[in-house]
Amino acid sequence: DQQVKQNSPSLSVQEGRISILNCDYTNSMFDYFLWYKKYPAEGPTFLISISSIKDKNEDGRFTVFLNKSAKHLSLHIVPSQPGDSAVYFCAASEYSGNTPLVFGKGTRLSVIA
Amino acid sequence: DAEITQSPRHKITETGRQVTLACHQTWNHNNMFWYRQDLGHGLRLIHYSYGVQDTNKGEVSDGYSVSRSNTEDLPLTLESAASSQTSVYFCASSESGGTGELFFGEGSRLTVL
Repeated sequence: DQQVKQNSPSLSVQEGRISILNCDYTNSMFDYFLWYKKYPAEGPTFLISISSIKDKNEDGRFTVFLNKSAKHLSLHIVPSQPGDSAVYFCAASEYSGNTPLVFGKGTRLSVIA
Repeated sequence: DAEITQSPRHKITETGRQVTLACHQTWNHNNMFWYRQDLGHGLRLIHYSYGVQDTNKGEVSDGYSVSRSNTEDLPLTLESAASSQTSVYFCASSESGGTGELFFGEGSRLTVL
C-alpha cells in the first residue's frame, strides 16, 4: 500500500506561470515532509521541507503548503523557469525525520519557454 | 567539500552473477541508505544503516544485502543478480538526530541481462 502518493505523473507549465505539484499521504504518523528535485543522470537534491507543526514554508520561489486534516501537501513554484524542468519527489517520515524517508512516485515538470 | 560517491556508475552483468555497488561518503553521517528508482515506482528503500554494524531491511530488500564495517561505506551486494534488479540505484546519507534530509549520490545504473 502506497503511503505517499503523487497522482500526477507529469505536468506542463508555461514559463513565468505558477507550477503546483501535489502529494497525498495515508500514514497519520508522518510528521515531516520534504520535496526533492531530480535531473536526469543525477541524484535527487533537497528542495524544501515542512514540519507538521507548520502549514506553510517558503524559500524564494518555492512554497510548500501542508493540510494535515486532508493529509495533503503541495509545492508551489512561482514564477516557473525552464531550469525547473525536472522530476519532483515528495517524501515523508515519522518522528521528526528519524525514520527512513518514504517517497512518492514523482511528478515530471516541464516548463515551456 | 564533503560528498557521497557511488561506483561503478554503470554496470552490465549477467543473470546469476554476484554484484557489489559501492557507496562512500565523507559527510561523517551515521545514517546511510540504499534506494532503487524504477519507472512507475519512484524511489524505494532497499536497506539502511544507522551506524557501524547496524543494518536494517527496507521495503524491497529481497535479493540484496549490505554490511557496515565503518562510518564511510555501505556497499550493496546482489547475491545472484536477476533481470528484475535492472534499475538505477541511489545511495544516500543523513545526520543522526537531524531532520532526515538525505544527501544522495549520483546513482549507479545496473543492467542485468
